[in-house]
Amino acid sequence: EAAVTQSPRNKVTVTGGNVTLSCRQTNSHNYMYWYRQDTGHGLRLIHYSYGAGNLQIGDVPDGYKATRTTQEDFFLLLELASPSQTSLYFCASSRDIQDTQYFGPGTRLLVL
Amino acid sequence: QQKVQQSPESLSVPEGGMASLNCTSSDRNFQYFWWYRQHSGEGPKALMSIFSDGDKKEGRFTAHLNKASLHVSLHIRDSQPSDSALYFCAASEPNTGKLTFGDGTVLTVKP
Repeated sequence: EAAVTQSPRNKVTVTGGNVTLSCRQTNSHNYMYWYRQDTGHGLRLIHYSYGAGNLQIGDVPDGYKATRTTQEDFFLLLELASPSQTSLYFCASSRDIQDTQYFGPGTRLLVL
Repeated sequence: QQKVQQSPESLSVPEGGMASLNCTSSDRNFQYFWWYRQHSGEGPKALMSIFSDGDKKEGRFTAHLNKASLHVSLHIRDSQPSDSALYFCAASEPNTGKLTFGDGTVLTVKP
């Protein structure tokens, strides 16, 4: 089974705060993704990457930056957090563009 | 309009019964479809994918795709309490591979 880990699992910050969510996959997958999950909206794609140094824009990118530093590591950055970014964030990876995506356990973020 | 719509929002079936979940896309660019399942407190996990018209069976799970109507369904026979979860339909475009998820169906299997 493919392995995707996320840290931290829970995070509380204040409005205007700086937050970094981390994701690591040990599957040697090329693609990595960041999603947010909100009640009534399912999962929405924020950013994704097909390799170290690459970044592609997802469907809800506003207020988020991301960086893929290595094949294994993908980070999501909230530089000026807002209450609207309170959500459950998932990272996923896949071998190739149309392959099954494997999800991590999620990070619950609360912005006060 | 949401591009991937799921129905019903919630569904309750008795243990051993058949659960049927539906998904319709409004975007003809979507060619590939997945079903994911998410248990409480966990990340989603892929159940199966379907790319061709017709049925695809994996154990107790059968997916059906009708490309002309952009409708895909998931049928779970002999439902078990462990099948109780949130089920997502997801669709992707051939070139980008980006997944668009529906809002999900909450399935409850009652012992």
